[in-house]
Amino acid sequence: AQSVSQHNHHVILSEAASLELGCNYSYGGTVNLFWYVQYPGQHLQLLLKYFSGDPLVKGIKGFEAEFIKSKFSFNLRKPSVQWSDTAEYFCAVNAKGSSNTGKLIFGQGTTLQVKP
Amino acid sequence: DAGVIQSPRHEVTEMGQEVTLRCKPISGHNSLFWYRQTMMRGLELLIYFNNNVPIDDSGMPEDRFSAKMPNASFSTLKIQPSEPRDSAVYFCASRIAGVLSGTGELFFGEGSRLTVL
Repeated sequence: AQSVSQHNHHVILSEAASLELGCNYSYGGTVNLFWYVQYPGQHLQLLLKYFSGDPLVKGIKGFEAEFIKSKFSFNLRKPSVQWSDTAEYFCAVNAKGSSNTGKLIFGQGTTLQVKP
Repeated sequence: DAGVIQSPRHEVTEMGQEVTLRCKPISGHNSLFWYRQTMMRGLELLIYFNNNVPIDDSGMPEDRFSAKMPNASFSTLKIQPSEPRDSAVYFCASRIAGVLSGTGELFFGEGSRLTVL
């Protein structure tokens, strides 16, 4: 069964600091990978996604993530965080079957708090 | 364009009462997911449908929970009887699923916050 592990549960940074959130998944086959963000009191929104091709994926708001297949990882990065990045971040994996109908499994989430 | 629409946004009920949560997916989407979010357990997949058919309900906690999708534009999640431990935010999400179409991206509704006293 596929699973997703996010190593950092709660991260506190000062503005302008660099961010890296870890995400590892367990699944032997081909996957689609996602990062979602949930701002306080809101629903989940897509930050970025990886399907194929360039393993370095750029998303909205200056976020990027790198897919390292050999490490089963899809870490999220941002060079300089802002106070408005305070939110919960979820990594998710979708096992790619022959019909792309697999379920999307989320990690436990990482709460990012950015201090002004 | 309208996104995924959920109702009610908030519900407070007493233990033992029946709760029905509703979801209207994005038009044209053929895959619908129900998730539950709590502080302790994070975001849990309860059940998902493809083309109105339940594909995987292994995440449904117990028989008190049931979900239906009578047509492509409507789904319900029912809890009967409800218990305090069911208190959570329930999210519905939809996407296009298929070999030649879609990107796998899920679009989420605003969620239904359930409090069972």
